[in-house]
Amino acid sequence: ETGVTQTPRHLVMGMTNKKSLKCEQHLGHNAMYWYKQSAKKPLELMFVYNFKEQTENNSVPSRFSPECPNSSHLFLHLHTLQPEDSALYLCASSREVLTSGGGSTDTQYFGPGTRLTVL
Amino acid sequence: AQSVAQPEDQVNVAEGNPLTVKCTYSVSGNPYLFWYVQYPNRGLQFLLKYITGDNLVKGSYGFEAEFNKSQTSFHLKKPSALVSDSALYFCAVVPAGNKLTFGGGTRVLVKP
Repeated sequence: ETGVTQTPRHLVMGMTNKKSLKCEQHLGHNAMYWYKQSAKKPLELMFVYNFKEQTENNSVPSRFSPECPNSSHLFLHLHTLQPEDSALYLCASSREVLTSGGGSTDTQYFGPGTRLTVL
Repeated sequence: AQSVAQPEDQVNVAEGNPLTVKCTYSVSGNPYLFWYVQYPNRGLQFLLKYITGDNLVKGSYGFEAEFNKSQTSFHLKKPSALVSDSALYFCAVVPAGNKLTFGGGTRVLVKP
């Protein structure tokens, strides 16, 4: 349960604010992910990092900026967000993401999420 | 094209009765299939996965799922539901050569 932590758990921000979400994993994994969970919509994969390198950007607007300084930490920097960006943002990690388009059988472990409200 | 579908938004079941949460997939090749559960105000927790081998997979908290290739299904089951099983359940698939894709989720409500 404490393998992947996220801070803050709740965040309220105005459209002109700049804030950052933090994720940390203590599982020795090499891959980390950002997901967006909105009401009545499937989980949306936003970004994937494998060994600190971004391997996937799922057409995410530039107002979301990820950063992965090392395999244990992942940030999501937020600026000039819109009210429709309000959602639960989930971080996950796994041992690795297979490259060259290969799927992975590795289980992803999720953090508790950050509930973001944009006013 | 949708890779994985959960046809029921909500499933209601009485405590002690069998619980089934349906999942169907539509991908080519041999898929990898997962079930996750999300309790209120929590992240997703892994329940079980099918990669290869025995079609019946046993997972955490007494859950199991059966991979049925002919029906392209991977339904989640529990013989006797508990009130504490009330949560949001997600089926997910990794199509060959692709990334994990989640279904829309099914809310399970177990009534005492």
